[in-house]
Amino acid sequence: DVKVTQSSRYLVKRTGEKVFLECVQDMDHENMFWYRQDPGLGLRLIYFSYDVKMKEKGDIPEGYSVSREKKERFSLILESASTNQTSMYLCASSPGLVEIPDTQYFGPGTRLTVL
Amino acid sequence: AQSVTQPDIHITVSEGASLELRCNYSYGATPYLFWYVQSPGQGLQLLLKYFSGDTLVQGIKGFEAEFKRSQSSFNLRKPSVHWSDAAEYFCAVGAGNSNDYKLSFGAGTTVTVRA
Repeated sequence: DVKVTQSSRYLVKRTGEKVFLECVQDMDHENMFWYRQDPGLGLRLIYFSYDVKMKEKGDIPEGYSVSREKKERFSLILESASTNQTSMYLCASSPGLVEIPDTQYFGPGTRLTVL
Repeated sequence: AQSVTQPDIHITVSEGASLELRCNYSYGATPYLFWYVQSPGQGLQLLLKYFSGDTLVQGIKGFEAEFKRSQSSFNLRKPSVHWSDAAEYFCAVGAGNSNDYKLSFGAGTTVTVRA
């Protein structure tokens, strides 16, 4: 089974802090994704990565950055946390071209509260 | 770009009754289609997926979905609901036949099961 783990289930931070959310997958997947989930809005893509050291902006990248130094690890960084970044953050990975359709597998999520 | 609409925000169903969740997508070519389920406080679990072939797709937990190209729909059904099916359900669409691995998610439908 594919396993996607996220470093924290719950996180409370203060406005202006730098926040790191870590995601690790154990299936040698090529692609990794970060989403935020808010009630009534579904999942919105923040950033994604198709390869190590590569990143592309999703639909709502403002206020976020990412890092992918190793294939299995994809980090989401909030440079200066703000209250409007309070949300559920979901990480996903997918194998890429080896599987059709390419299927995303999700971690358990991190519920971040910014005070 | 592709998009998804889930017209029903919330559905209440009695245990043992049938369930149908609606999903309408917008995409010019053959899409990849997915249904995910999210139990409270958890990540998303894949229920089923469709790309080609038989338009009636079987998934886990007794769910099935039917792809109707003429209606741009991919509705999810279950003949007899169990209390454990109470969750939020997300439909997602991906760009088939391309190297674009991004998914667009609907806003979700929350299912409540009453005894």
